[in-house]
Formats: sequence, C-alpha cells, structure tokens
Amino acid sequence: AQKITQTQPGMFVQEKEAVTLDCTYDTSDPSYGLFWYKQPSSGEMIFLIYQGSYDQQNATEGRYSLNFQKARKSANLVISASQLGDSAMYFCAMREGWTASKLTFGTGTRLQVTL
Amino acid sequence: EAGVTQFPSHSVIEKGQTVTLRCDPISGHDNLYWYRRVMGKEIKFLLHFVKESKQDESGMPNNRFLAERTGGTYSTLKVQPAELEDSGVYFCASSPQQGPGKTQYFGPGTRLLVL
Repeated sequence: AQKITQTQPGMFVQEKEAVTLDCTYDTSDPSYGLFWYKQPSSGEMIFLIYQGSYDQQNATEGRYSLNFQKARKSANLVISASQLGDSAMYFCAMREGWTASKLTFGTGTRLQVTL
Repeated sequence: EAGVTQFPSHSVIEKGQTVTLRCDPISGHDNLYWYRRVMGKEIKFLLHFVKESKQDESGMPNNRFLAERTGGTYSTLKVQPAELEDSGVYFCASSPQQGPGKTQYFGPGTRLLVL
C-alpha cells in the first residue's frame, strides 16, 4: 500500500487565490512527521513546512499552512494568496518514528499559477 | 549558512562507465541521506549515514552502488558499472540530530544520464 498518496497530478490556481494540495498518509507508527517540499523548474527541493504527529495545532509558515486531520490521516497543504512564483512541483513526505530517518515521498502535484 | 551542495550538477556517461557523485552536507549535520528520482517516478530513499556510519542502506538498489562518508563530512556515491536504468536525479539531504522534525534539507541534485 502507498504510504503517501497525492491524488492530484496537476492543479491550476489563479494568482492571489488560495489553493489546497491534498496528501493522505498511511502508518501504524504513532510518532511520525509530515513534510511538504517545493520543487521549482530549476530542480532544487525546498523545504516548506513540517507537522509532527503530536502537534496540537496546524503548522503555519507564512503563506503556507498545513491542514492536519489526524483521524483522516490527511495533511493537506494550503497556499494562500498564490503568486506566479508558486508554480512548481509539490511533494508531501513522511518520516516514521521519532528519530532521524528516511522520508517516504508521494508522487507530487504540479501546481500552475495563472494570471 | 551554506546549504547542501552536490557535484556535479549534471553527468552524461555511457553504459558500463563509472560515475562518482559528491555531496557536502550543511555544516554540523550528522545525518546525511541519498535519494533518487527516476523519470516519472517518486523520489526514493537510497541510504542514510549518521556521521560516518551507515544507519540504513535498505534502499540501495544493488551492489553496483557504493556510498561512503569518510570522516563524517562529505559523502560520495559511486555507480560502477552504470546501467541505463540508473538515469535519474540523485538528491542528497542532511539533517541535524536534534530540532523539530529533524527536517531534511536537500541539495540541488545531480542529473545523471546513462546512454
């Protein structure tokens, strides 16, 4: 079974609008971390936001917020006030356990911001 | 603070040749990871160093791949002999031992093409 599922291969959003990128995960470990990364056309992987499984509040970093619904095992990324520079691939990833360990990635969602 | 650096940025080699990729992690990060993204597929974990020790090498595809991290600083990933299916983008990431999420910071990747 897929550990990280991103069901949206591609999304479009108009500039200044908000967009939600979906991510569901599957783990039996009670301790885990969820991450979102952005990969622009230049290819580098940019860390955006982190949510720990025991965190009570949804993580926020500037225009990025993570809609964490633990019972539904979802960790959707919300980008508010989209900008043209937000056009990129977005990857959801999970680390199982509390120690530093490998990330498991989803297949990614390509976001295109339009005028 | 310098980020994760990788060298070379691109490499084109013929099947059967050897290629060595290098990764310099963020200074002070004990954890170093190698990942690979083969065309059209998700990013897959290869292995994880803690300082100079291999903590997890469960993702290494076969014995044509050899990773080292002598002295616990930079790491190399050698592919010998290279096969066509080794083509892809090889990412290196590093993370601290402590800190929220033990977030992994990625390098820009090495694009490997085996002809």
